[in-house]
Amino acid sequence: KAGVTQTPRYLIKTRGQQVTLSCSPISGHRSVSWYQQTPGQGLQFLFEYFSETQRNKGNFPGRFSGRQFSNSRSEMNVSTLELGDSALYLCASTPGGQNTGELFFGEGSRLTVL
Amino acid sequence: GENVEQHPSTLSVQEGDSAVIKCTYSDSASNYFPWYKQELGKRPQLIIDIRSNVGEKKDQRIAVTLNKTAKHFSLHITETQPEDSAVYFCAASKDTDKLIFGTGTRLQVFP
Repeated sequence: KAGVTQTPRYLIKTRGQQVTLSCSPISGHRSVSWYQQTPGQGLQFLFEYFSETQRNKGNFPGRFSGRQFSNSRSEMNVSTLELGDSALYLCASTPGGQNTGELFFGEGSRLTVL
Repeated sequence: GENVEQHPSTLSVQEGDSAVIKCTYSDSASNYFPWYKQELGKRPQLIIDIRSNVGEKKDQRIAVTLNKTAKHFSLHITETQPEDSAVYFCAASKDTDKLIFGTGTRLQVFP
């Protein structure tokens, strides 16, 4: 079974631009969550989607948004990029339901904002 | 808001020694406490987890203890090996897949 796949793996943007990151969950998994990882802050929860609906949301500004498609694939978008948005963005999937246990992470998309 | 504090931020031990990492959570409604290991350049992976109806759980050289009254939980690694070197993250959640992570502990095991 293929793992969680994230694209692109690396990208460089400049301030003010926007970026879209993609995540394909493990086959059969219906829940996708996103985390931002930075050296000082660790992993911070962005949002979680289940059956195309946002089920939970973290404390990030409205510039951060996401969506989930009917095939459970998910995208997140960051608009008006700031230098502080430079981070590793991790996507994770689970079978669904509530608090089902293990999150299966992708390898992440490393965003650099210049 | 919900918060998880993790200590120490770095930990160096000699191979064969034990390592202990401690976390404290703020939300008393939290009921699920996983630990993730992230090797350099790799994705976080679950190594052990515990739910609030259990006080201790063990898996070979790894154990986790939970004290609900004090709102803290700990990871214990015995007989450490060089391949245990990684960053370890604790986390807490309450009935959701939204995990609140600690800031991580970099464990170095010296041969």
